[in-house]
Amino acid sequence: EVQLVESGGGLVQPGGSLRLSCAASGFTFDSYAMSWVRQAPGKGLEWVSAISSGGSSTYYADSVKGRFTISRDNSKRTLHLQMNSLRAEDTAIYYCARSTTVVNTIFDYWGQGTLVTVSS
Amino acid sequence: DIQMAQSPSSLSASVGDRVTITCQASQSISNYLNWYQQKPGKAPKLLISAASSLQSGVPSTFSGRGSGTDFTLTISSLQPEDFATYYCQQSYSAPWTFGQGTKVEIK
Repeated sequence: EVQLVESGGGLVQPGGSLRLSCAASGFTFDSYAMSWVRQAPGKGLEWVSAISSGGSSTYYADSVKGRFTISRDNSKRTLHLQMNSLRAEDTAIYYCARSTTVVNTIFDYWGQGTLVTVSS
Repeated sequence: DIQMAQSPSSLSASVGDRVTITCQASQSISNYLNWYQQKPGKAPKLLISAASSLQSGVPSTFSGRGSGTDFTLTISSLQPEDFATYYCQQSYSAPWTFGQGTKVEIK
């Protein structure tokens, strides 16, 4: 059974940093691209970042480019999102999601999400 | 960026009703269109990929059609467990964008 479990969310002040993690199980982690998708309270879905299966290629939404860094550790089957210079508008539930590739990305499995709140 | 417009934003329907949700892309995306279902407090779930390919385990009451810029998701007979919010997503080109969602509520 595919499982994705996010962690690392919490309350952080504007300008602060947070590192999210996503632990994967039930599939060959290093064969799949991974993404982060977020959902602000009561709002729709926004893709944030993606990384190729080997980790050599990364992609970012303009809204987070230069502030967020996606990475993965295939030996530990873990995906990360380092979030710096956080803003109030980054407040959201952050989901990690699996896709077959970073091209023509389809999110076929999702974690349960971790809540990030940016507030003073 | 490719913009995705869903309509309606919400609808009320009864169990057994036929429901259709539309999704329009701001440019042609061939059949690179996916549909997700999200229930309150839960993660989205992939229902349909490539415009019309039903995912394993998804009831056959769900169907998708379309190509180019115009797409539809149809639920042929609404069941109690189908009340949720539905999102379309284009997988044609990055950044991967979603429609704003359609909330299906009980009448």
